[in-house]
Amino acid sequence: RKEVEQDPGPFNVPEGATVAFNCTYSNSASQSFFWYRQDCRKEPKLLMSVYSSGNEDGRFTAQLNRASQYISLLIRDSKLSDSATYLCVVNGGGAQKLVFGQGTRLTINP
Amino acid sequence: DGGITQSPKYLFRKEGQNVTLSCEQNLNHDAMYWYRQDPGQGLRLIYYSQIVNDFQKGDIAEGYSVSREKKESFPLTVTSAQKNPTAFYLCASSKGAGQPQHFGDGTRLSIL
Repeated sequence: RKEVEQDPGPFNVPEGATVAFNCTYSNSASQSFFWYRQDCRKEPKLLMSVYSSGNEDGRFTAQLNRASQYISLLIRDSKLSDSATYLCVVNGGGAQKLVFGQGTRLTINP
Repeated sequence: DGGITQSPKYLFRKEGQNVTLSCEQNLNHDAMYWYRQDPGQGLRLIYYSQIVNDFQKGDIAEGYSVSREKKESFPLTVTSAQKNPTAFYLCASSKGAGQPQHFGDGTRLSIL
């Protein structure tokens, strides 16, 4: 089983729609969780950290479910500029490194 | 502006040649990382360093070497032992372990 698993997509949704991604992780001792976005042929950029109580940043909402070991990202009122690959990132418990999921590709259509 | 600078942006390697990718950061971060990304794939960790003069192998260290002589710098050498070096190489830094990482804009390495 991979340490971090994501549905690779692609997800194609119309502009203005709401879209959600899930990500599962295998290490129950993980303490840090993040969502990154990566545009085509560019570096990943931090979108938001994920906190236990859930958190929101504008149109983006992140949730953490420790019992089921999954993280979710919800994008409301999607924009064309939201088209990107979204990476789920988890720290490896006691390990001193972050583990990146393969990414979920999202395309917003006009 | 603080950030991470990678150079060069594009690099071509001849057979049997070692090449070095530069990574410099002025964020005063203790930890630095090197990743490799192949087309349509996720990031794979090559090496990481939590502190100056110390570094650890990641998941795919074979054929690569690093040094961390200064806090700001973490160069990666792709040796001739790396038989499939064509990829997008990303350097990142963070304040510490488990903290969010910030990336440079990458180096694309190809074989001549």
